[in-house]
Amino acid sequence: DTAVSQTPKYLVTQMGNDKSIKCEQNLGHDTMYWYKQDSKKFLKIMFSYNNKELIINETVPNRFSPKSPDKAHLNLHINSLELGDSAVYFCASSQGRTRETQYFGPGTRLLVL
Amino acid sequence: AQKVTQAQTEISVVEKEDVTLDCVYETRDTTYYLFWYKQPPSGELVFLIRRNSFDEQNEISGRYSWNFQKSTSSFNFTITASQVVDSAVYFCAPRTQGGSEKLVFGKGTKLTVNP
Repeated sequence: DTAVSQTPKYLVTQMGNDKSIKCEQNLGHDTMYWYKQDSKKFLKIMFSYNNKELIINETVPNRFSPKSPDKAHLNLHINSLELGDSAVYFCASSQGRTRETQYFGPGTRLLVL
Repeated sequence: AQKVTQAQTEISVVEKEDVTLDCVYETRDTTYYLFWYKQPPSGELVFLIRRNSFDEQNEISGRYSWNFQKSTSSFNFTITASQVVDSAVYFCAPRTQGGSEKLVFGKGTKLTVNP
């Protein structure tokens, strides 16, 4: 009965590779998000989708491309991985795009070597 | 733009002590929401509370309580009779209803409860 799930949980890869992280929510929410948490635990939003439409696109390198095939899924594809991309990436979802509570997935720990 | 300050980077207490985690926010919006999240050592982010800017009543949930003071833009979190399981990083996060619609996280306060 997992609410927000992410795969994989851990991802270790070499610089220059391309990788994807998948997120799915079964809460019936219409808004999904990607956050990045750095080594100092600082959490920052990257992207947000509402009903498959991109509504927030923070200052993120073009190497990061989100894709939302439907309301329940939001994937994150990263091209040409760099050392600085090492972080924990969290997916979240909410019903509505403004005031409702966001529920987070377990996170994907990405390590770029 | 929103800004949130959690001035206490780390707090260490002994079990059964009460502890208060401070949160001060800045926003130009008249309507906004405030959230607290907990991140235990296992890494997941757990929602604790959502507070509407129009509702200044304090909230209590078991050993947890929240004090919202709109006049000082503070939304402090108190744990009464702390337990080892309360050890975690706690994040305060405001969110405006309009504008950027973003949830802006503070840098977090790491709480360690020692037995």
